Order: sequence, then structure tokens, then C-alpha cells
Amino acid sequence: DSGVTQTPKHLITATGQRVTLRCSPRSGDLSVYWYQQSLDQGLQFLIQYYNGEERAKGNILERFSAQQFPDLHSELNLSSLELGDSALYFCASSIGTSPASDTQYFGPGTRLTVL
Amino acid sequence: GNSVTQMEGPVTLSEEAFLTINCTYTATGYPSLFWYVQYPGEGLQLLLKATKADDKGSNKGFEATYRKETTSFHLEKGSVQVSDSAVYFCALKDSGAGSYQLTFGKGTKLSVIP
Repeated sequence: DSGVTQTPKHLITATGQRVTLRCSPRSGDLSVYWYQQSLDQGLQFLIQYYNGEERAKGNILERFSAQQFPDLHSELNLSSLELGDSALYFCASSIGTSPASDTQYFGPGTRLTVL
Repeated sequence: GNSVTQMEGPVTLSEEAFLTINCTYTATGYPSLFWYVQYPGEGLQLLLKATKADDKGSNKGFEATYRKETTSFHLEKGSVQVSDSAVYFCALKDSGAGSYQLTFGKGTKLSVIP
């Protein structure tokens, strides 16, 4: 158990809908990361937050957005869903104060299926 | 840009066989290197890491040495067990450029048969 929790575990929805994925980081970690794992693209970095502020953006679509709240939990919002958004979405957390020594710990993931 | 290339899978080995999974990388700076493992139905777990050239990461019998001259970080284990069956991901972080994000290889699926 990494200490990172994600809810829900599974999500099934229809095209055009909007969903919210939730992540709680390990105790003491200030940084949260979101990654998407799909069969065709592999594991891709989406976005990073540190202590409530966006720190880095990767291959995140404009239809997707995220935020980190004062209690440090994070939410990833996916809207106007398409079939191709079906994937496993991972959240990771780390202390986030030094790139060289930082280690990311991953949650169990949320499997999103868009029908 | 940064990239990681892993050997194609799947890899099938008999129990107690020697394992090597090749990983090479391209990075603009001086990256930190990682191996993560994903067991069936689970999330990613950090297996080992190395932060500078010639460092050796090791954990649970697995080892990998950061080779700057060959830009490689091959994963090895002397004697695999059925419980090692999983998908293994090589990853880099361009920490020298101040980046925190991980760039992953496509993963190598390992199946160990009794």
C-alpha cells in the first residue's frame, strides 16, 4: 500500500458526459501528479500540482482540468468524454521539494470506461 | 525531448531463470532513472532507482546500474519466481532540468512459469 488513495476504482459513463476523479496523497506529500495509461499511448504525464498551485503540464487535453485543494487532495475533471478517453488514470504523490531526490508513489488507479 | 525505450515483450521465463530487461534512454540533461512494477490489477510500485551515473539500484533481488556511457539502465534478477510475473516499466526524470515529471517506456510484461 503506497498511501495514495484514489476514488472511484471503476467508472463507466457515456460519451459527452463529465466525470471527476479524486486523489488523496500520502501524508506529508505536497505534490500530486496525474498520469493516463492507455493501450496505444502507454503511460503519459498529464499535470502536476504543488501545494495548491499548478507546477507542470504535460499532454493534457483542454477538455481535462485538475485542481489541488487546501487539504492537498486533488481532483481531475474530464468533460465531453470520448471513446478514446477510456484508460486507467493514476495519481501519484511526492514531497515535491527537490527534483533530484524526489520519488513518486502511485495510487491504485481509476479505470474509466466510456461507452 | 526525453524518451525511454524498453525491450519488447512479453517475456516468458521458467522459475529460477536469469532475467534481463533492457532499457535505454534519451535525455537532454542528467536524469534520474527508475524501474516501476505493475502487478495484475494493481497500481505502479517503485522497484528501484538510481540518481547518478554508476549508481546501482537494488531491491527484492532486482538490480539495475545507471550507465551514462551507454545511456542504459537494464533490469536484472538472478533467479525469478512466479510471484515476479508483472509488467515492468523503465522511467526517467530529468531532474537536472528541474523537472519532476516521469517519462515512461512502454512496459515489458514478464510471465514466470513453474
